[in-house]
Amino acid sequence: NAGVTQTPKFQVLKTGQSMTLQCAQDMNHEYMSWYRQDPGMGLRLIHYSVGAGITDQGEVPNGYNVSRSTTEDFPLRLLSAAPSQTSVYFCASRLSAGVTDTQYFGPGTRLTVL
Amino acid sequence: DAKTTQPTSMDCAEGRAANLPCNHSTISGNEYVYWYRQIHSQGPQYIIHGLKNNETNEMASLIITEDRKSSTLILPHATLRDTAVYYCIVRVGTNFGNEKLTFGTGTRLTIIP
Repeated sequence: NAGVTQTPKFQVLKTGQSMTLQCAQDMNHEYMSWYRQDPGMGLRLIHYSVGAGITDQGEVPNGYNVSRSTTEDFPLRLLSAAPSQTSVYFCASRLSAGVTDTQYFGPGTRLTVL
Repeated sequence: DAKTTQPTSMDCAEGRAANLPCNHSTISGNEYVYWYRQIHSQGPQYIIHGLKNNETNEMASLIITEDRKSSTLILPHATLRDTAVYYCIVRVGTNFGNEKLTFGTGTRLTIIP
């Protein structure tokens, strides 16, 4: 298994541009989520999904959209990038919404918005 | 939602046990304590979790106080590769649908040769 994969690894955007961060997992996990990590802030939850067709907001959802059309993929969309969205983004998945399931993280996407 | 408090940083000598504390005084009865770590620029890595009993696996031990208001992660024989930021997390949400883990700022553990 490849586990959780993310593309791209690095991205530079100009203010107002849009882009999609890709996330995929091949473990047949129901639960997937997106976090952003900023210096001194830990990881903050952006959006999450408990299964295909179901998404919900996390702690910092503004400026981001998600969809979950398949079990494997959970893309994160920035419709109009802002410098405040400069961050490292991590996608994660776990088998189910059950609390004892181990959460696996992707390698991250480092995004810079100029 | 229960919050966690951890020291900002700690040092530990290589080969010694590293004991990382975490306070979670508002934890509720059905919330678990999780520990993750993040080695420089990589995604977080699961270490261990528990509800009220002490737990041990190949990586670490987790000691939870009887009142569950605090816990300690123990790395029994720390190596240089254990240098990382360690996150203590209390699971938030209900059992159906809105499971999520909220990460705080963590403890930066530095293993000293």
